Amino acid sequence: QKEVEQNSGPLSVPEGAIASLNCTYSDRGSQSFFWYRQYSGKSPELIMSIYSNGDKEDGRFTAQLNKASQYVSLLIRDSQPSDSATYLCAVNPHTDKLIFGTGTRLQVFP
Amino acid sequence: GAVVSQHPSWVICKSGTSVKIECRSLDFQATTMFWYRQFPKQSLMLMATSNEGSKATYEQGVEKDKFLINHASLTLSTLTVTSAHPEDSSFYICSASNPPVNTEAFFGQGTRLTVV
Repeated sequence: QKEVEQNSGPLSVPEGAIASLNCTYSDRGSQSFFWYRQYSGKSPELIMSIYSNGDKEDGRFTAQLNKASQYVSLLIRDSQPSDSATYLCAVNPHTDKLIFGTGTRLQVFP
Repeated sequence: GAVVSQHPSWVICKSGTSVKIECRSLDFQATTMFWYRQFPKQSLMLMATSNEGSKATYEQGVEKDKFLINHASLTLSTLTVTSAHPEDSSFYICSASNPPVNTEAFFGQGTRLTVV
């Protein structure tokens, strides 16, 4: 079992819809969870961080964490074509090293 | 958030030569930096953890004699690809974090290496 798992996609959603990206992790002791966005040919940029169970909202983005189910998700409301990118889930299993998933490619079509 | 600067952003070199890539934390001190490699349409692959003042820790399968890492100061880590070959062509990215202020990783801009 991979430490951090994501569906590679592509996930295709129409403009204005909600995009839902999911991630599961194996280390139950993990404390910190992050979502990064990576455009083709660019380095990842941090979108959201979440540390406790529940929802965390920032603009059009909502991160959801369920430690009991070892599940973290990212919702993007009112999806725009500019949101088309690969979204990387990262987990910190209480070390200084982040473990990344393979990423989900999101395509938002007009 | 913290700023990490990577240089150069792209480099083309001849096969057999060496290339040095720099990673700097601009507004914080980073005792630990990380080096990743990413091939087209693939995920980030952690190559090594760079520790200030000590030897780097390499991931399994990464040749430490080929990918030399130096972390001589709290704001600078360098990755040298020695005797580069075309198969080393890739996107190299560094990252650093700033605990306890920030636990997330901040990435440099990445370096596109092409070996011809």
